[in-house]
Amino acid sequence: GAGVSQSPSNKVTEKGKDVELRCDPISGHTALYWYRQSLGQGLEFLIYFQGNSAPDKSGLPSDRFSAERTGGSVSTLTIQRTQQEDSAVYLCASSRSTANTEAFFGQGTRLTVV
Amino acid sequence: TQLLEQSPQFLSIQEGENLTVYCNSSSVFSSLQWYRQEPGEGPVLLVTVVTGGEVKKLKRLTFQFGDARKDSSLHITAAQPGDTGLYLCAGAPAGNMLTFGGGTRLMVKP
Repeated sequence: GAGVSQSPSNKVTEKGKDVELRCDPISGHTALYWYRQSLGQGLEFLIYFQGNSAPDKSGLPSDRFSAERTGGSVSTLTIQRTQQEDSAVYLCASSRSTANTEAFFGQGTRLTVV
Repeated sequence: TQLLEQSPQFLSIQEGENLTVYCNSSSVFSSLQWYRQEPGEGPVLLVTVVTGGEVKKLKRLTFQFGDARKDSSLHITAAQPGDTGLYLCAGAPAGNMLTFGGGTRLMVKP
């Protein structure tokens, strides 16, 4: 596709359930980022993938959060045993490389934990 | 302390007023970017400034990169309600990953 695609666009889940959020970056982009954004707030960095390097997981808020990027393309962010405080918009972005860091964002997944 | 500090955090102005948003750091950046995020959307890149002292204009928006490449500003002339949104600066120091400032939330009232 022409842009970054995220799915689902909305997800309502019960507290304690696991959820998987998907991101399809722009083809050929080696860098991929996940951010979390609570209502009215800025971007909270979660995790960064760059090529085949080990991901930077320093932003993950707890061990309930994990992410993988298969084949250097699609990424999934998994939240286990969801809590109400996990409710937020989860944004994915990709950029061409570390030399060209201009980021292109998806529309986000709005997660609501009830 | 964030690598990129934005100020102000919030700004509410009347249509037609001018405003400036600042993005400051103690680190040197090879480039800085500005994004705007509208409700329900992901951030969209507005501009990238690369050269120290550079000034770029995008209609009523003027972006400046500091001479030392540690700071940047965004000036909006005659703000319109359509300028409402979250403005974010971002940079990647020394080839590291892209880092965002905390954002400036702008509301322009008609």
